[in-house]
Amino acid sequence: GIQVEQSPPDLILQEGANSTLRCNFSDSVNNLQWFHQNPWGQLINLFYIPSGTKQNGRLSATTVATERYSLLYISSSQTTDSGVYFCAVEGWDDYKLSFGAGTTVTVRA
Amino acid sequence: EAQVTQNPRYLITVTGKKLTVTCSQNMNHEYMSWYRQDPGLGLRQIYYSMNVEVTDKGDVPEGYKVSRKEKRNFPLILESPSPNQTSLYFCASSLEGNYGYTFGSGTRLTVV
Repeated sequence: GIQVEQSPPDLILQEGANSTLRCNFSDSVNNLQWFHQNPWGQLINLFYIPSGTKQNGRLSATTVATERYSLLYISSSQTTDSGVYFCAVEGWDDYKLSFGAGTTVTVRA
Repeated sequence: EAQVTQNPRYLITVTGKKLTVTCSQNMNHEYMSWYRQDPGLGLRQIYYSMNVEVTDKGDVPEGYKVSRKEKRNFPLILESPSPNQTSLYFCASSLEGNYGYTFGSGTRLTVV
């Protein structure tokens, strides 16, 4: 299956700081999503982004499919941004999402 | 509101007592799947369904059953739960495979 590596594994931010999370994947994909898992365990879909750039408020994401990586940007972080961020990909012949191990983000007031 | 609904959210049960976790989506999605999340192991697919009456095994199907009699529903059945099935379970749906997935809120299952 496709290997997904996320970095860094942990990130501690002061409120208001900006950050970049990275996702590398080992094969070509036709689906890439970023999720936020909140402290209650819910998986919130942030972006469906197999290629290109998208923005949603303070969050934006870029996927460079030819180089097999994606970046998630958090700007002006808030305490509510805390949680685990997952990158997940799906290959052309797969019928499942392969998840990375996640980046745990802690935003301190 | 477009959503995937799982029930129950929390469940504590005893070894061997059959249980069903329900999953329903209101988006007319063809594709549905189940995942479990465990510390250190991440999220792994249990079963998936491409359409009504079409189901297939994922990476960790042992000890689970599914059915897809209607497009909107995809229940997960544990015929004889064991403590190693204690986990956080997620149902997901997509318009087809290879499109964006919507996840349910999760079911936290404890088997004692």
